[in-house]
Amino acid sequence: GQSLEQPSEVTAVEGAIVQINCTYQTSGFYGLSWYQQHDGGAPTFLSYNALDGLEETGRFSSFLSRSDSYGYLLLQELQMKDSASYFCAVRPYTGGFKTIFGAGTRLFVKA
Amino acid sequence: SQTIHQWPATLVQPVGSPLSLECTVEGTSNPNLYWYRQAAGRGLQLLFYSVGIGQISSEVPQNLSASRPQDRQFILSSKKLLLSDSGFYLCAWSSERQGGGYTFGSGTRLTVV
Repeated sequence: GQSLEQPSEVTAVEGAIVQINCTYQTSGFYGLSWYQQHDGGAPTFLSYNALDGLEETGRFSSFLSRSDSYGYLLLQELQMKDSASYFCAVRPYTGGFKTIFGAGTRLFVKA
Repeated sequence: SQTIHQWPATLVQPVGSPLSLECTVEGTSNPNLYWYRQAAGRGLQLLFYSVGIGQISSEVPQNLSASRPQDRQFILSSKKLLLSDSGFYLCAWSSERQGGGYTFGSGTRLTVV
């Protein structure tokens, strides 16, 4: 089957760096995406890795290694507003236009 | 720019009542559209997706149905709601510019009582 694994919770302090990992089991996919969701809100698209390597967007970076079936989201200079849930997602080659989401990682940023 | 509208934001419905949630997209043509459901504190479950007018793919056998009467309109319906239908319903469209990444609507929080 196809699945993505993420830690359920991560806690970090304001100003620090945190890495949220995502490991997956899927035969092949177009790329790895990351979404942020604040309590009560809808998920918002953060980043997309089509190729192996690091993609940087401001304080956020995302990494993909297809050979290791692994990716991560890196958040730098953490701010209180970064407290949210983060989901990794892939769109497999098979299965039409469906996207599979991980169960999400709840990030708590402390002062 | 592309925008996605979803309504209502919250809904409380009795068991056995019908449901209709509407989603519309602006600024794009022939989008791929999706309905997801999210239980409290959980991940996203794909319910339906559509690649064009009248084309609906169902992912989970359930009490719900979807329709796409127009290119930019996607509707989620039920004839008789169950308690288990409670959740956060999200409409989304995907863009190849984002590698197929989703833009979600603001969601509808449905409570079936």
